[in-house]
Amino acid sequence: GENVEQHPSTLSVQEGDSAVIKCTYSDSASNYFPWYKQELGKRPQLIIDIRSNVGEKKDQRIAVTLNKTAKHFSLHITETQPEDSAVYFCAAIVDYKLSFGAGTTVTVRA
Amino acid sequence: KAGVTQTPRYLIKTRGQQVTLSCSPISGHRSVSWYQQTPGQGLQFLFEYFSETQRNKGNFPGRFSGRQFSNSRSEMNVSTLELGDSALYLCASSYGGGRSYEQYFGPGTRLTVT
Repeated sequence: GENVEQHPSTLSVQEGDSAVIKCTYSDSASNYFPWYKQELGKRPQLIIDIRSNVGEKKDQRIAVTLNKTAKHFSLHITETQPEDSAVYFCAAIVDYKLSFGAGTTVTVRA
Repeated sequence: KAGVTQTPRYLIKTRGQQVTLSCSPISGHRSVSWYQQTPGQGLQFLFEYFSETQRNKGNFPGRFSGRQFSNSRSEMNVSTLELGDSALYLCASSYGGGRSYEQYFGPGTRLTVT
């Protein structure tokens, strides 16, 4: 089955700096890679996703890149703000089954 | 559109009992997936239903089962509860067809087994 690894497990950044989270996956059949943000006590929220036929996607301050050859994808958050503090999960899908990374706890210091 | 809803939001059960959780997807969505979230194991896939059929299944024991109704609402059942079943159970809905993979989560049901 699919195995998704996510690094780092915790990330502390100064407000205004950038944050980068990296994930690798094992199943070459994976064709969809979403990122979720989960604030304390809340549901995971889909913030951006990328499909296997695209190398990069941007939405305001967040961007995701995908390298299919190396089987890794990354989330980039620029100009971080306190409200970006949360746990971020990457995931990969095969046959409608989402496999998640272990999560990255991002703390933005004011 | 209304979001994904789950009931109940909180449950306390005793070891050996069984429990049924419910999930109502976003209107028009035909796929419902269930996940278990724990601090130690993270988010783990339980199963996915599409048009009343289980289309995919994770690595959980047979005590975990589910079903989907014709209106796309889904239930999951856990029989003979164990302490280790304490977790947040999340469901997520999606269109489920073609290349529509986006999944949207409900608020979850917090299950505590004592």
